[in-house]
Amino acid sequence: DSGVTQTPKHLITATGQRVTLRCSPRSGDLSVYWYQQSLDQGLQFLIQYYNGEERAKGNILERFSAQQFPDLHSELNLSSLELGDSALYFCASSVGHSGSYGYTFGSGTRLTVV
Amino acid sequence: AQKVTQAQTEISVVEKEDVTLDCVYETRDTTYYLFWYKQPPSGELVFLIRRNSFDEQNEISGRYSWNFQKSTSSFNFTITASQVVDSAVYFCALSEQDTGNQFYFGTGTSLTVIP
Repeated sequence: DSGVTQTPKHLITATGQRVTLRCSPRSGDLSVYWYQQSLDQGLQFLIQYYNGEERAKGNILERFSAQQFPDLHSELNLSSLELGDSALYFCASSVGHSGSYGYTFGSGTRLTVV
Repeated sequence: AQKVTQAQTEISVVEKEDVTLDCVYETRDTTYYLFWYKQPPSGELVFLIRRNSFDEQNEISGRYSWNFQKSTSSFNFTITASQVVDSAVYFCALSEQDTGNQFYFGTGTSLTVIP
């Protein structure tokens, strides 16, 4: 157990729908990062939150949004889902605002859009 | 341009053989960090090692060793006496001082160890 908790582990939904993925960081970590792993794009950075504020943005689609709550858990919202959004979505956390010291990944949420 | 290149897509070795996974990176930063992660069939990403750009000392941890060479921008990973449990996808990643918030991952090398 890495200490980073992601729910749900699996999600199957239809095109056009909206889903929410949840992440609880490791105790004491203030940063949460979201990554998408797909067959064609590999592992891509989506977004980072640090202590409730957006810190960095990567290749995140406008249909996707995220937030970090006062208790530091984070949610990634995916809307108007398309078949190509099917992927493994990872959350990771770190103590500080930089990932340079490495971060700990959760076990991922596998999203299947049908 | 790809910042991290893992040219080996798939490798198969017989148990007890040694295997080296290659990683070549590209950055203009003088301060950067390199990582290796393991993704077993269960899917999670497991941290293996972190190395900063100022430390070119090779590292050994049990059957694992890493060779960092700034002159060739490479950070290769060797598994000695491979075991079936080493079968996984291995990712090399780069974090730059200036953009330290995100990792740039390579495309991964899928290692299969045949018993």
